[in-house]
Amino acid sequence: EAEVAQSPRYKITEKSQAVAFWCDPISGHATLYWYRQILGQGPELLVQFQDESVVDDSQLPKDRFSAERLKGVDSTLKIQPAELGDSAMYLCASSLTRGKDNEQFFGPGTRLTVL
Amino acid sequence: GEDVEQSLFLSVREGDSSVINCTYTDSSSTYLYWYKQEPGAGLQLLTYIFSNMDMKQDQRLTVLLNKKDKHLSLRIADTQTGDSAIYFCAESPRSGYSTLTFGKGTMLLVSP
Repeated sequence: EAEVAQSPRYKITEKSQAVAFWCDPISGHATLYWYRQILGQGPELLVQFQDESVVDDSQLPKDRFSAERLKGVDSTLKIQPAELGDSAMYLCASSLTRGKDNEQFFGPGTRLTVL
Repeated sequence: GEDVEQSLFLSVREGDSSVINCTYTDSSSTYLYWYKQEPGAGLQLLTYIFSNMDMKQDQRLTVLLNKKDKHLSLRIADTQTGDSAIYFCAESPRSGYSTLTFGKGTMLLVSP
């Protein structure tokens, strides 16, 4: 069964360091999402791609976060420099298209701990 | 603004029914969703309901929607220990496409 792949699963870093997360969506899915889930909270959308284009990054802290999906397939989310408050689970999801009735399939997430 | 509220914790015995409740504020929401998250895992879509429906049933799951009160519930019949997880309610506002706004989640604990 096709799945969304994410790596690494766990990342521990010190504050002020740079970190990067990778996501490979389900083959053929045009829409890709990055969510941040703080412990005890629901996921919050950081950025949404349609193919290689960003369609929503209104909640992305652009001074330190960046995301790209250069060929419209896999995607990288980067944080530079990391801060203590960035400790969270970073979830990637993909869907066939942007329509509301298209199920979003989630990856297992990357748990980031910033020391 | 958009806001989704859920109770934080529910404990039931195996074989009982579980009812998880959710309220939302965005009256323009057209789709409402229930996701399940097991420890250390991503989210899994359980079911969704379109806002012109009152009820949707899928095997052990029943979703009830009261659009007037902006209240959504998920009933799990014959709850099993494997149903223990965090359940998230989410809405998709008209202003976006597939953007989802999630509640904080309800932890369901099923005891034998």
